[in-house]
Amino acid sequence: GAVVSQHPSWVICKSGTSVKIECRSLDFQATTMFWYRQFPKQSLMLMATSNEGSKATYEQGVEKDKFLINHASLTLSTLTVTSAHPEDSSFYICSASKRIQETQYFGPGTRLLVL
Amino acid sequence: AQSVAQPEDQVNVAEGNPLTVKCTYSVSGNPYLFWYVQYPNRGLQFLLKYITGDNLVKGSYGFEAEFNKSQTSFHLKKPSALVSDSALYFCAVRLAWGDSWGKLQFGAGTQVVVTP
Repeated sequence: GAVVSQHPSWVICKSGTSVKIECRSLDFQATTMFWYRQFPKQSLMLMATSNEGSKATYEQGVEKDKFLINHASLTLSTLTVTSAHPEDSSFYICSASKRIQETQYFGPGTRLLVL
Repeated sequence: AQSVAQPEDQVNVAEGNPLTVKCTYSVSGNPYLFWYVQYPNRGLQFLLKYITGDNLVKGSYGFEAEFNKSQTSFHLKKPSALVSDSALYFCAVRLAWGDSWGKLQFGAGTQVVVTP
């Protein structure tokens, strides 16, 4: 149990385009989902927390207009990187939990390369 | 402030030998501690957690961790390492104050290399 999927697993896009990444909890309902960014050989940096049916809360320094997060259902959250630039290239990982205080289960990650 | 520290960037161990990955924490109140493992180009896999109860927590893939309140440590252990245990290991603490409540604070990670 507690399986989280992400789609796509990797994506290459041109600078200026937008990219949408999906995060799904496959066998449980996730009240809360988290979006992280990870640079090579570094730890995870929390970008935002999304609760089903409400606006996401962003960490300091994360541009909410650039990284649009939608959590429309208890099994799906999406992260859209708008007007992507090469510096947005990274590994994006989502996690989901039944409730915010419960164990987070992570997706396999999405590698984004912006040319 | 709540945080975790992983003092070793890398741990090298021979297959069959005991494996220990260190983690110390700094929290106010009761700590909620987690261990995750990450294989290359993959997300994190949950190994185990300490919330309350027995200080020795058993988790997935033969791993266990010992919560030590006096030393503020939560070291991950495996009695006999496998080559397939080679991965990046993260210790994390669940934050319990203000707007950060429920979020995870991760350590820097420890790369484990198990040689045949």
